Amino acid sequence: GNSVTQMEGPVTLSEEAFLTINCTYTATGYPSLFWYVQYPGEGLQLLLKATKADDKGSNKGFEATYRKETTSFHLEKGSVQVSDSAVYFCALILTIGADSWGKLQFGAGTQVVVTP
Amino acid sequence: NAGVTQTPKFQVLKTGQSMTLQCAQDMNHNSMYWYRQDPGMGLRLIYYSASEGTTDKGEVPNGYNVSRLNKREFSLRLESAAPSQTSVYFCASSEEWGVGTQYFGPGTRLLVL
Repeated sequence: GNSVTQMEGPVTLSEEAFLTINCTYTATGYPSLFWYVQYPGEGLQLLLKATKADDKGSNKGFEATYRKETTSFHLEKGSVQVSDSAVYFCALILTIGADSWGKLQFGAGTQVVVTP
Repeated sequence: NAGVTQTPKFQVLKTGQSMTLQCAQDMNHNSMYWYRQDPGMGLRLIYYSASEGTTDKGEVPNGYNVSRLNKREFSLRLESAAPSQTSVYFCASSEEWGVGTQYFGPGTRLLVL
């Protein structure tokens, strides 16, 4: 089946540190990949996405590159702020024609805590 | 432009009670979704409505029913609540079915005693 695996949290960092959250996937077909972020007490919001191999998604200083050869979509940010404290979800969606197409499938989420 | 709104924000039920969670979106989106979020399990799809007039089961539909009332509104009903349904419920919408960019509401926290 299709699945998304993320590194377990919490990940605790100091302000201005480098952040990496690992995400790997298993999918039949060629998925589009996403990172969603959930700030405390809120719903999820899209952070970035990539729709094909070697695409790089970026937003708010975060980046992730779609690596087909390693089936990965790791999230990175060079210098985190306290306001980046949140839960980050990696997700995939399969395009038409693939098994279970059209349904967004999420990883378990990784909590990130940034301290001053 | 409120986006996706959900009511109530928080609810406590006793086992066996029923309730309906309401969701509305003002973005003229065709597709709407209900998810539940449990610790360590990410979000799991309960039901979805690919377009007005259609509904389909997701990954964890047992114990739930849905109604796509019109293009804007999509409700989730628990007919006989069970402690296993204690969770945070999120409604989401997207322009079309099969699009990974979804817009989420703020969630409803449900506790079943």
